[in-house]
Amino acid sequence: QLQLQESGPGLVKPSETLSLTCTVSGGSISSSSYYWGWIRQPPGKGLEWIGSIYYSGSTYYNPSLKSRVTISVDTSKNQFSLKLSSVTAADTAVYYCARLGYIVATIRNAFDIWGQGTMVTVSS
Amino acid sequence: QSALTQPASVSGSPGQSITISCTGTSSDVGGYNYVSWYQQHPGKAPKLMIYEVSNRPSGVSNRFSGSKSGNTASLTISGLQAEDEADYYCSSYTSSSTQVFGGGTKLTVL
Repeated sequence: QLQLQESGPGLVKPSETLSLTCTVSGGSISSSSYYWGWIRQPPGKGLEWIGSIYYSGSTYYNPSLKSRVTISVDTSKNQFSLKLSSVTAADTAVYYCARLGYIVATIRNAFDIWGQGTMVTVSS
Repeated sequence: QSALTQPASVSGSPGQSITISCTGTSSDVGGYNYVSWYQQHPGKAPKLMIYEVSNRPSGVSNRFSGSKSGNTASLTISGLQAEDEADYYCSSYTSSSTQVFGGGTKLTVL
């Protein structure tokens, strides 16, 4: 059964870069059927899509975050990663990674498998 | 891109039916049959309940159903149960090949 697990620092200083990794187990990140995405949720607030990546490296980003976001993939490690630069307190959130079905998948353009989420706090 | 519009809260009694709306534009909800719905209990990751407007993933109760008319999608939960109390989010594919979520709706089972 496919599982996703986020990892990374729980505390980041303002103006620094937030870095998280999502490890995919029980399946291959190189499947042609899926994109892999990052979603975040500030405390007490709603979900915000950050961006998604295909195993080939093709990416799509939320326009409101695009200037600060980089998502990359490492197929040899079955992982994909998020970097968010110049963070402020507004970036404090639970960060989730999730699988997004591509057009050839059974479940298309929906996040069908999620990691448990990791809380990242931006504070000095 | 702007978040999809959902009511902040809805409520219903056990056994009743409720409907949550999700309003977007012709560039997202209205333009594609790629609307999905997620259920989130406190402290938990979201769970996919409906995909491609009206399809249920394996294991999701048939009490959950989805539909769409124009730029507005809807999630209906029939035979409301206490365990349905949660936050619900809609999401849509967009013309920019991005994803956008709704602001979320808190469902209270009275």
